[in-house]
Amino acid sequence: GNSVTQMEGPVTLSEEAFLTINCTYTATGYPSLFWYVQYPGEGLQLLLKATKADDKGSNKGFEATYRKETTSFHLEKGSVQVSDSAVYFCALSDQSGNQFYFGTGTSLTVIP
Amino acid sequence: DAGITQSPRHKVTETGTPVTLRCHQTENHRYMYWYRQDPGHGLRLIHYSYGVKDTDKGEVSDGYSVSRSKTEDFLLTLESATSSQTSVYFCAISESGSLDTQYFGPGTRLTVL
Repeated sequence: GNSVTQMEGPVTLSEEAFLTINCTYTATGYPSLFWYVQYPGEGLQLLLKATKADDKGSNKGFEATYRKETTSFHLEKGSVQVSDSAVYFCALSDQSGNQFYFGTGTSLTVIP
Repeated sequence: DAGITQSPRHKVTETGTPVTLRCHQTENHRYMYWYRQDPGHGLRLIHYSYGVKDTDKGEVSDGYSVSRSKTEDFLLTLESATSSQTSVYFCAISESGSLDTQYFGPGTRLTVL
């Protein structure tokens, strides 16, 4: 079946530090991969996505590359800011159906 | 921001009572989804709809039913609420299904005592 595994949180970083949040997936076929972000008290918002192998999604300084050989979609940012504090969710879409599968989320806190 | 509203935003109810949550969209998107969010589980799909009167189950559908009589409204019903259904419920919409971006509503916090 389809599933997404994210690194456990919470993650605490100092401002301007490098961020990596690991995400690996299990899926049949060729899923699309997504990173969503949830700020306190809000719903999820799309951060970036990639629809095929070797695609790189990017937005607001965040990047993730769709690696089919390692079934991974790790999120990275070179220099985090306090405003990046949020919960980050990795997700995949079911190619053959209409369903999304989310990871458990990784909480990030950035301190000044 | 995508036009998605959820009502109510907060609800406290007692075990055994029926509860209906409403999701309303103004984007005319074909697909609508209901998720629940729980610590340690992330988001899990309850039910989804791919058109008026067309719905299907997600991975945690037991104890829930849905209805979609109009494009803009998707209702989630707990026929007889249990404490295990205490959660935050999110509605989402997308234009063309699984390969498309999902847009999420603000959530409904439901407490079942």
